[in-house]
Amino acid sequence: QKEVEQNSGPLSVPEGAIASLNCTYSDRVSQSFFWYRQYSGKSPELIMSIYSNGDKEDGRFTAQLNKASQYVSLLIRDSQPSDSATYLCAPRLSSASKIIFGSGTRLSIRP
Amino acid sequence: DAGVTQSPTHLIKTRGQQVTLRCSPKSGHDTVSWYQQALGQGPQFIFQYYEEEERQRGNFPDRFSGHQFPNYSSELNVNALLLGDSALYLCASSLGGGLNTEAFFGQGTRLTVV
Repeated sequence: QKEVEQNSGPLSVPEGAIASLNCTYSDRVSQSFFWYRQYSGKSPELIMSIYSNGDKEDGRFTAQLNKASQYVSLLIRDSQPSDSATYLCAPRLSSASKIIFGSGTRLSIRP
Repeated sequence: DAGVTQSPTHLIKTRGQQVTLRCSPKSGHDTVSWYQQALGQGPQFIFQYYEEEERQRGNFPDRFSGHQFPNYSSELNVNALLLGDSALYLCASSLGGGLNTEAFFGQGTRLTVV
């Protein structure tokens, strides 16, 4: 079982709609969770962090965390073509200080 | 406020050679982590440096080594390059190692081994 699982996509969403990106992780005691956006050929950019169960909103982005289900998601409201990128789910294992990454979900926003 | 900077941005090396990649962390950050990202994959953790010592290491062979300097900048060295070492090498900096510490990436070094 992979430590972090994401659907590789591509996930195609019409402009203006809500994009929903999902991630499951295997380490039950993971405490911190990060979402990074990576444009093709560029480095990852941190867009959201979440540490407690529930929702955290920042502009058009909402991160949702359910530690009991070992599940974290990212919602993007009013999707724009500029949101087209790969989104990486990245938990930090509580037993170590490293951040590990899923393989990412490729999101495509169609006009 | 300068972000994380890496050099060089692109590099072409021949199989068997050695390479050194450099990273300057974001101002105020003291921890540097290195990642390798192959095409179509997520970043894979190589190692992390804090207080000039390797604090953690991922599943990479001893050909991969590193160093952190007193000013917190860091180097990644790869010996005896293999074709499979071709990848984007990313440096991420953070402050300390707390659970909620955020990490920020540099622009990466694209290494091609021929």
